[in-house]
Amino acid sequence: DQQVKQNSPSLSVQEGRISILNCDYTNSMFDYFLWYKKYPAEGPTFLISISSIKDKNEDGRFTVFLNKSAKHLSLHIVPSQPGDSAVYFCAASVIQGAQKLVFGQGTRLTINP
Amino acid sequence: AAGVIQSPRHLIKEKRETATLKCYPIPRHDTVYWYQQGPGQDPQFLISFYEKMQSDKGSIPDRFSAQQFSDYHSELNMSSLELGDSALYFCASSRGMTGNEQYFGPGTRLTVT
Repeated sequence: DQQVKQNSPSLSVQEGRISILNCDYTNSMFDYFLWYKKYPAEGPTFLISISSIKDKNEDGRFTVFLNKSAKHLSLHIVPSQPGDSAVYFCAASVIQGAQKLVFGQGTRLTINP
Repeated sequence: AAGVIQSPRHLIKEKRETATLKCYPIPRHDTVYWYQQGPGQDPQFLISFYEKMQSDKGSIPDRFSAQQFSDYHSELNMSSLELGDSALYFCASSRGMTGNEQYFGPGTRLTVT
């Protein structure tokens, strides 16, 4: 039962363009969402998060959008850079207390020069 | 900035042996989480500790146990190892109950032969 889904296993984007990574969730109890970036042989690196009381959070080139009614969130990277090439994981949790993260399957983003 | 430290980085064990993985959280982080990532899979939550008490439990086999010590470091003990235990084991830490940004260590790659 995959509660967090990233339906695109891979995405290829031209350098300088916008990268949009999508994530859907099924558990309506989730109220905190995070995006992580992962390089091979390294642990996931926290990028950006959003709580369910917001619909947008921005940090530099990264913006996360949350649509609660659709149970959908997306990560926008503008402009995309070659160093952004990595696997991106969407994760969800319940904000109350120290709660586990439930991860999506990941999307491999490749930025082409 | 100090990050989560995991040791060892690589571990090779034979079936039915035991293994101990160690995790040192970011200073002033009081919560530790353990995740297992199989080949081509998303990280799966195993267990977490808040202030040295178990706070949540996921799909952790009975052959595994873990604890958090007074200095907040944590150890994951794995006994009667099976081939299927071969995976990347990540430790993450966070600071208490506010938000849930978990910061991951580089992982321990366990290979069971």
